Amino acid sequence: QSVLTQPPSVSAAPGQKVTISCSGSSSNIGNNYVSWYQQLPGTAPKLLIYDNNKRPSGIPDRFSGSKSGTSATLGITGLQTGDEADYYCGTWDSTWVFGGGTKLTVL
Amino acid sequence: EVQLLESGGGLVQPGGSLRLSCAASGFTFSSYAMSWVRQAPGKGLEWVSAISGSGGSTYYADSVKGRFTISRDNSKNTLYLQMNSLRAEDTAVYYCAKEQGSGWPGVHAFDIWGQGTMVTVSS
Repeated sequence: QSVLTQPPSVSAAPGQKVTISCSGSSSNIGNNYVSWYQQLPGTAPKLLIYDNNKRPSGIPDRFSGSKSGTSATLGITGLQTGDEADYYCGTWDSTWVFGGGTKLTVL
Repeated sequence: EVQLLESGGGLVQPGGSLRLSCAASGFTFSSYAMSWVRQAPGKGLEWVSAISGSGGSTYYADSVKGRFTISRDNSKNTLYLQMNSLRAEDTAVYYCAKEQGSGWPGVHAFDIWGQGTMVTVSS
């Protein structure tokens, strides 16, 4: 059972928008930065969002992050088939903790 | 180019030991905290251990505390994970990951990941 709760799966059509939620508590999301990672099949995770809502260089603005209280959300607009991947949220709670991951299917 | 390259994985019997290494290049290694993160087959990410940039502070997941030891050699730009008393449930791909922007764990995010090394614990 993960400390952070994510939906196991989400799906949407190409070109549409999807959101992935990440729920935690005051000891983790409530008092620390949230980051989001994309893991394409058979590859290492890749940083998508850091400090709740900032994008590293090279990450398109189709990806966005937000945080409110003890929850965070990853948004992806203009869905592409290449976005099909597992997405993980992460934050600090005296140790690093991750969500269980959300599998995105682009129908 | 900023890069992390893990090595040392393999097949080991239950109760055995293994030492993983992670060679870093392209950045000032001693300025950043580092972590090991693992992923069991078909499962999600599980953080294992972290170490501060100086090496003076270490952190462990409860699942590995007392069995695994994280260390670093800043003169060799290398991170290590000594794994003892290995169990079947330790079977996973082990990634080393660089923390972004801080010599202390838990501040921002993991901005660089290695390609991973597979550890299989089986008789």
